Amino acid sequence: SQKIEQNSEALNIQEGKTATLTCNYTNYSPAYLQWYRQDPGRGPVFLLLIRENEKEKRKERLKVTFDTTLKQSLFHITASQPADSATYLCALVQNSGYSTLTFGKGTMLLVSP
Amino acid sequence: DAGVIQSPRHEVTEMGQEVTLRCKPISGHDYLFWYRQTMMRGLELLIYFNNNVPIDDSGMPEDRFSAKMPNASFSTLKIQPSEPRDSAVYFCASSISLGQVGYTFGSGTRLTVV
Repeated sequence: SQKIEQNSEALNIQEGKTATLTCNYTNYSPAYLQWYRQDPGRGPVFLLLIRENEKEKRKERLKVTFDTTLKQSLFHITASQPADSATYLCALVQNSGYSTLTFGKGTMLLVSP
Repeated sequence: DAGVIQSPRHEVTEMGQEVTLRCKPISGHDYLFWYRQTMMRGLELLIYFNNNVPIDDSGMPEDRFSAKMPNASFSTLKIQPSEPRDSAVYFCASSISLGQVGYTFGSGTRLTVV
């Protein structure tokens, strides 16, 4: 069966460190992989998109990598700040026909001062 | 643009009652999506529209759920009759494509059925 797996345990890091979140998928051939941020009581907010033929994408302090051989994406936040504390969701678009976004359950990141 | 607007933000209703959730997408976005989020199952796609036409409703849990998009600026998700297991946060999202760009989500409607 198809799965998108993100670590269900919260990631606790200290301010200034690099946070790395993992997204693993099974039985997908994604054309696109997206990352979202979700704060409590709010809807997900789009952060970054990476295509199947791209290895890495950067945006300010954010970096996403995409390894289609390992079937894994890593999401990095450098120089993390307490304001980065939130739940981060990865989502895939299957490489076939009219496919929509399918989401993982997300990983909570807690950045302490 | 004010973003995707959903109403109400919170809804508490009794089992068996009809519930209607509303969504105004971003102007110019051809795609509108309804998702449901629970702790157990995460975000699940219920239905999506393209140019006001329902394209895929395979995620709608059962016949008690229905969705309409009478025009490009308004959509509704209706549950009749509601059941306690329908309690969740319902999100509406819109986009200019199915997956080549990000989706813009509303703030959601937290539904509690007692």
